[in-house]
Amino acid sequence: DIQMTQSPSSVSASVGDRVTITCRASQGISSWLAWYQQKPGKAPKLLIYAASSLQSGVPSRFSGSGSGTDFTLTISSLQPEDFATYYCQQANSFPLLTFGGGTKVEIK
Amino acid sequence: EVQLVESGGGLVQPGRSLRLSCAASGFTFDDYAMHWVRQAPGKGLEWVSGISWNSGSIGYADSVKGRFTISRDNAKNSLYLQMNSLRAEDTALYYCAKGLRFLGYYFDYWGQGTLVTVSS
Repeated sequence: DIQMTQSPSSVSASVGDRVTITCRASQGISSWLAWYQQKPGKAPKLLIYAASSLQSGVPSRFSGSGSGTDFTLTISSLQPEDFATYYCQQANSFPLLTFGGGTKVEIK
Repeated sequence: EVQLVESGGGLVQPGRSLRLSCAASGFTFDDYAMHWVRQAPGKGLEWVSGISWNSGSIGYADSVKGRFTISRDNAKNSLYLQMNSLRAEDTALYYCAKGLRFLGYYFDYWGQGTLVTVSS
């Protein structure tokens, strides 16, 4: 099974900060990676797919990069509505898809 | 507007069964892969199962393989999850999620979830 490890598990940041979240796969997954945002009590929202493709309607301050085993999600200038938990998900090994453990972005 | 509405959750005793349903609207259902993803209280996301547009490709997480069965009825725009031999660790909010066009392993729309509680 492919394990997905996110770091950090939480980060405190201020509005306007640049925030970077890392996701590492236990084996190579090419670019088969997505990022989701989840706010409390809400369903997750797709932000990035295929490692770096921005989902329609998602602000351009979100970007994704990486391939193989190491990936990053960057929020270039944190906005108040961005405080949430972020998950990576590998899509390389269907029929076994897996999520990372999540990174909570909190207000400093 | 894409809508996914889950139903069928509730309180069930360990070892019993439950069937979840997801009613889809606002898109051509039989063009897309569909999935179930769950989230235990206060925990992260766990993919449970997925099914291709024509039911030709189906997958399950190891944690539910042999106990859960995914199916779909394209004529009724509906997705199902039959859950047997339920365990306490299956307690979670179960989301129905739609796959992206041609990249069905990414989930672009989600329902609001149905809560399954397994307890005696």
